[in-house]
Amino acid sequence: DQQVKQNSPSLSVQEGRISILNCDYTNSMFDYFLWYKKYPAEGPTFLISISSIKDKNEDGRFTVFLNKSAKHLSLHIVPSQPGDSAVYFCAASNTGNQFYFGTGTSLTVIP
Amino acid sequence: DVKVTQSSRYLVKRTGEKVFLECVQDMDHENMFWYRQDPGLGLRLIYFSYDVKMKEKGDIPEGYSVSREKKERFSLILESASTNQTSMYLCASSPGGPPGAEAFFGQGTRLTVV
Repeated sequence: DQQVKQNSPSLSVQEGRISILNCDYTNSMFDYFLWYKKYPAEGPTFLISISSIKDKNEDGRFTVFLNKSAKHLSLHIVPSQPGDSAVYFCAASNTGNQFYFGTGTSLTVIP
Repeated sequence: DVKVTQSSRYLVKRTGEKVFLECVQDMDHENMFWYRQDPGLGLRLIYFSYDVKMKEKGDIPEGYSVSREKKERFSLILESASTNQTSMYLCASSPGGPPGAEAFFGQGTRLTVV
């Protein structure tokens, strides 16, 4: 059973606007959450993370929000740029020894 | 920079062949992972290893085996390749221990079984 879910397979956003990617999880024992970005024919690259003791983490144009009561996290990209077009994977970890990934959301930023 | 290197970017193998996918990391990480990525299914864990000679099954281990004889190297073996094993294979490593560190991925191997 999928413990990390990304219910939107794709998202299109105009350049300069905000992109919001969503992720839900079922295991309340997860204590660390990550977002990865993946271009075709390349491996995923780490983007941003958040510990379960926080509700927000910001890094430049990227902000991750965590709502533990709802078991929901989101990635905000502001402003969106064409180079942000990629597949974004949400991941969760409970021991640091295993990472559970969602199915990914393909983001297209339209110039 | 952490580097995770997979031995091949693209492979084409015949049904029934034994296939070896090699992965090497240079950061002395404890943990190593093999995932496969398929459209609509995301990254699914095949096997992982938290120490030399140790291995744990992931979500989809059937048809695969692994070997970790040295800390820096983690091999994925397809004992008898089948067409449903055509996929993108991704190796990753992480330091292990308390949460707070990310996994680092290799560039991926696109395997086609014909």
